[in-house]
Amino acid sequence: GAGVSQSPRYKVAKRGQDVALRCDPISGHVSLFWYQQALGQGPEFLTYFQNEAQLDKSGLPSDRFFAERPEGSVSTLKIQRTQQEDSAVYLCASSSVGQQFFGPGTRLTVL
Amino acid sequence: ILNVEQSPQSLHVQEGDSTNFTCSFPSSNFYALHWYRWETAKSPEALFVMTLNGDEKKKGRISATLNTKEGYSYLYIKGSQPEDSATYLCAFRESNTGKLIFGQGTTLQVKP
Repeated sequence: GAGVSQSPRYKVAKRGQDVALRCDPISGHVSLFWYQQALGQGPEFLTYFQNEAQLDKSGLPSDRFFAERPEGSVSTLKIQRTQQEDSAVYLCASSSVGQQFFGPGTRLTVL
Repeated sequence: ILNVEQSPQSLHVQEGDSTNFTCSFPSSNFYALHWYRWETAKSPEALFVMTLNGDEKKKGRISATLNTKEGYSYLYIKGSQPEDSATYLCAFRESNTGKLIFGQGTTLQVKP
């Protein structure tokens, strides 16, 4: 399809495990964003890429969170040593000019 | 800290009712205001991007207005249908970089 895709859609991790969440943006979109949505809250900004450059990572909650986009297309959000408070929906969005198009999200549950 | 507030938090209406929600946002450093509809297990769907004070946009039975001077936007749904049931999110953008600051959403349930 032509939209933003994310995988996996659901992930259950034991506390302390590392996880990797993948985002495939719309082809040709320069900008890519990651957001975290905790239960009952709106999505919160994590980080932003323009092509392969990570221009803003001010929203990453701790140094356990790491994002990359090495070839300016697919992006991976990695969370090391997961904690229960990391349980959330992780949304990826891409844009060229103006509008941001979102993927369906990855629901992460940390037990 | 930039704050975006939405009200009400949730809303239950009967099919055919018209309804509206509010989004309030900072009135300074405004670049754009986005509205999204998010159905469970689906991607958030873009409804409107609003940039000019006084803007009014319409998509079918859904319309939105924007007041950047006082920092609020209204979303209206005319003649609600069960398929309108979703969470409606507004998001404030203060620059061209595109980072969005979201409200907590308004969850709408339309009963047949």
